[in-house]
Amino acid sequence: QSALTQPASVSGSPGQSITISCTGTSSDIGSYNLVSWYQQHPGKAPKLMIYEGSNRPSGVSNRFSGSESGNTASLTISGLQAEDEANYYCSSYTSSSTVVFGGGTKLTVL
Amino acid sequence: EVQLVESGGGLVQPGRSLRLSCAASGFTFEDYAMHWVRQAPGKGLEWVSGISWNGGSTGYADSVKGRFTISRDNAKNSLYVQMNSLRAEDTALYYCARGNTYGIRGYVDLWGRGTLVTVSA
Repeated sequence: QSALTQPASVSGSPGQSITISCTGTSSDIGSYNLVSWYQQHPGKAPKLMIYEGSNRPSGVSNRFSGSESGNTASLTISGLQAEDEANYYCSSYTSSSTVVFGGGTKLTVL
Repeated sequence: EVQLVESGGGLVQPGRSLRLSCAASGFTFEDYAMHWVRQAPGKGLEWVSGISWNGGSTGYADSVKGRFTISRDNAKNSLYVQMNSLRAEDTALYYCARGNTYGIRGYVDLWGRGTLVTVSA
């Protein structure tokens, strides 16, 4: 049950776009279209931002989008805003009937 | 209001046991799988365990398998995790979380605020 691999940090200026990658294996991301992405502000509970690879829950800005290819998933945030500064985690179901999270990516809005 | 409220956290000595509870309200509890997810201080999220809508299917992270037991009582709208043989590395904020469907296979769409477990002598 190794954690999914995410970059430790990414940054961008307001208005720009950034992409966070999430790399797994054929036993998790590669086998299931079940990657989800969560946003967590300091001291707060996580919030679902993307589910099943590319779907946005009601109320989540359309500036957030997700995609998958092979064993890798990506989260793209366009038109960066100061409020997007947070930690982001990917997650996937696995062939061991468990769930695995990525190590998390700290997004800094410059 | 749809919410999850955890309880039962606290300071416990290594090797001892603790039972966490999660009270669900505002939705039909028995329609959803449930999970425990933890976060060590300053660290990332770690899935701990999940249970299907009727308790018929459970899953555990390798780090807690054999020590933790997840359970639920649909009549009481409650989720539990019995944590035995606790270690310092189990120190974390423990979140109760709702899956989006009957089985563990889905994503988490609702989170509680967490209850803090500290394992220390």
